[in-house]
Amino acid sequence: QVQIVQSGPEVKEPGASVKLSCKASAYTFTKYLIHWVRQAPGQGLEWMGWINGGNSDTRYSQTFQGRVTITRDTSASTAYMELSSLRYEDTAVYYCASGLSGQQLVLGYWGQGALVTVSS
Amino acid sequence: DIQMTQSPSSLSASVGDRVTITCRASQDIGNYLTWYQQKPGKVPKLLIFATSTLQSGVPSRFRGSGSGTDFTLTISSLQPEDVATYYCQKYNSAPLTFGPGTKVDV
Repeated sequence: QVQIVQSGPEVKEPGASVKLSCKASAYTFTKYLIHWVRQAPGQGLEWMGWINGGNSDTRYSQTFQGRVTITRDTSASTAYMELSSLRYEDTAVYYCASGLSGQQLVLGYWGQGALVTVSS
Repeated sequence: DIQMTQSPSSLSASVGDRVTITCRASQDIGNYLTWYQQKPGKVPKLLIFATSTLQSGVPSRFRGSGSGTDFTLTISSLQPEDVATYYCQKYNSAPLTFGPGTKVDV
């Protein structure tokens, strides 16, 4: 059974950066995309981007272009998402999710989420 | 970019009722449409992909249909455990845009 475990909550000041991790187990990390999605309090889901676990190709939402960087460490089966120049409105739960076998753009397995609070 | 809309934004129904949620894409997305269920305070869960394919373990009372720009999620007999917000998402190409969600109460 695929398991996705994310790093814990973070509190950051405006203007700072945050880097979250997402560790996948029980599957071949290099064969899947890892997606990042965020959800502001009381709001809907917002796709941020993906990374190809095999070749590290990335694709980002234009909304976050220039502020988001997704990387991966294959030896640790872990993906990372760094968001810079944080604003109060970046306060949200950030999820990572893996693609589904054969349907990599379908978010099949989700991590537990990580709350990022931007506060001065 | 393709925009996704959902209707209604919320609904309340009785146990056993048939519930229908509509999702519309601003351009043709073929059958590249997923539905996710998010129960209160929980992580989103994949329900349906490729418009109508149920993810493993999803009860058969959930059904997806449609193509092109108009899609439907139907719950044939609403159960108390179906209280959740349902999101559609298009995945024909990036960005993988979600709809705004439909909140279902019992």
